[in-house]
Amino acid sequence: GNSVTQMEGPVTLSEEAFLTINCTYTATGYPSLFWYVQYPGEGLQLLLKATKADDKGSNKGFEATYRKETTSFHLEKGSVQVSDSAVYFCALVNSGGYQKVTFGTGTKLQVIP
Amino acid sequence: EAQVTQNPRYLITVTGKKLTVTCSQNMNHEYMSWYRQDPGLGLRQIYYSMNVEVTDKGDVPEGYKVSRKEKRNFPLILESPSPNQTSLYFCASSHGQGAQENQPQHFGDGTRLSIL
Repeated sequence: GNSVTQMEGPVTLSEEAFLTINCTYTATGYPSLFWYVQYPGEGLQLLLKATKADDKGSNKGFEATYRKETTSFHLEKGSVQVSDSAVYFCALVNSGGYQKVTFGTGTKLQVIP
Repeated sequence: EAQVTQNPRYLITVTGKKLTVTCSQNMNHEYMSWYRQDPGLGLRQIYYSMNVEVTDKGDVPEGYKVSRKEKRNFPLILESPSPNQTSLYFCASSHGQGAQENQPQHFGDGTRLSIL
């Protein structure tokens, strides 16, 4: 079956530091890959996505590249802000039109001033 | 405004007392789903629905029921809640089959259930 593995958290960074949150996956076929963000007390929001190999998703300064050869989709940001403090979830959706979503366990990011 | 609305946001209840968590979306999405979020386990799918009157079990369906009588609504029913169902629940929706590429989910703000 499908699975998503994220690095353990929490991750604590100082403001303006470089962020990497690792995500690797196991899936059949050609899944689409997503990063979602969950701010305290809220539901998940789509942060970025990539639908095929070598695609780069980007939004709000965050980037992730779909690497089929390493089955990875690592999230990066060059300079984090306090407002980026949240829980980040990596997820995949199987190809074929059936919207079965597999989530990672989430990585909590705390950015301190 | 496009949104997924869950009610209630918070509920404390007792073992065995039937409860329903409602979910409604205004985006005409075919696909709807329920998840529970527990520390260290991420989000686990409970049930999903691919369209009206079409529902199926997710990864952790035991103790839950759902129905999809209308496209916009997808209630989650706990017939006889137990303490191990204490969790944070999310409803989500997206376009389903026929979409040109796999679609992201739109999530509600969550319902925190405590079963005593």
